[in-house]
Amino acid sequence: DAGVIQSPRHEVTEMGQEVTLRCKPISGHDYLFWYRQTMMRGLELLIYFNNNVPIDDSGMPEDRFSAKMPNASFSTLKIQPSEPRDSAVYFCASSFVGGEAFFGQGTRLTVV
Amino acid sequence: QKEVEQNSGPLSVPEGAIASLNCTYSDRGSQSFFWYRQYSGKSPELIMFIYSNGDKEDGRFTAQLNKASQYVSLLIRDSQPSDSATYLCAEFRQTGANNLFFGTGTRLTVIP
Repeated sequence: DAGVIQSPRHEVTEMGQEVTLRCKPISGHDYLFWYRQTMMRGLELLIYFNNNVPIDDSGMPEDRFSAKMPNASFSTLKIQPSEPRDSAVYFCASSFVGGEAFFGQGTRLTVV
Repeated sequence: QKEVEQNSGPLSVPEGAIASLNCTYSDRGSQSFFWYRQYSGKSPELIMFIYSNGDKEDGRFTAQLNKASQYVSLLIRDSQPSDSATYLCAEFRQTGANNLFFGTGTRLTVIP
């Protein structure tokens, strides 16, 4: 397996634009996590899915953030409208039950 | 109170010394703990996990868990410059919803 695949690797966008981040988890993993990492706040869990169902979205900062997992092999994290304070590295991770999560390479988002 | 607490460092040790990284957690229901290493600009990668009280050794790495004190640590023996990275402690909690919580990480520098 190629591991968790995220796209794009880098995204630069203007404030107010919609941003969509994509993730393909490791085949067979039943948990998918979206994290955001900044220098100030470290690695923060935004939302996670179990068997494609959102379980806990309490980490999603605002209604501007939404996430979907239409099937076991694909998830998206959308920010609409984007703001400069959303600039961060966004990681997707997947795991079996038990918590040993494997991370994608991340998407570095810059909102100008 | 943050679920997982780590000293953010930076921690500097000379090459060949033992590096000691520490982590405390707040939920006695936590079942398992993970240490991830993150090089600058890269994604976190799992280096060790521990479920049971006591020590677990893997090469130069030893994880220690003390559930009574709610304390987990990572020892790196014979530290090498290539060990210089940020080390993230994570706890897996299976109370209510399954979830993986990360500390903010400790930055380690091994000085040649």
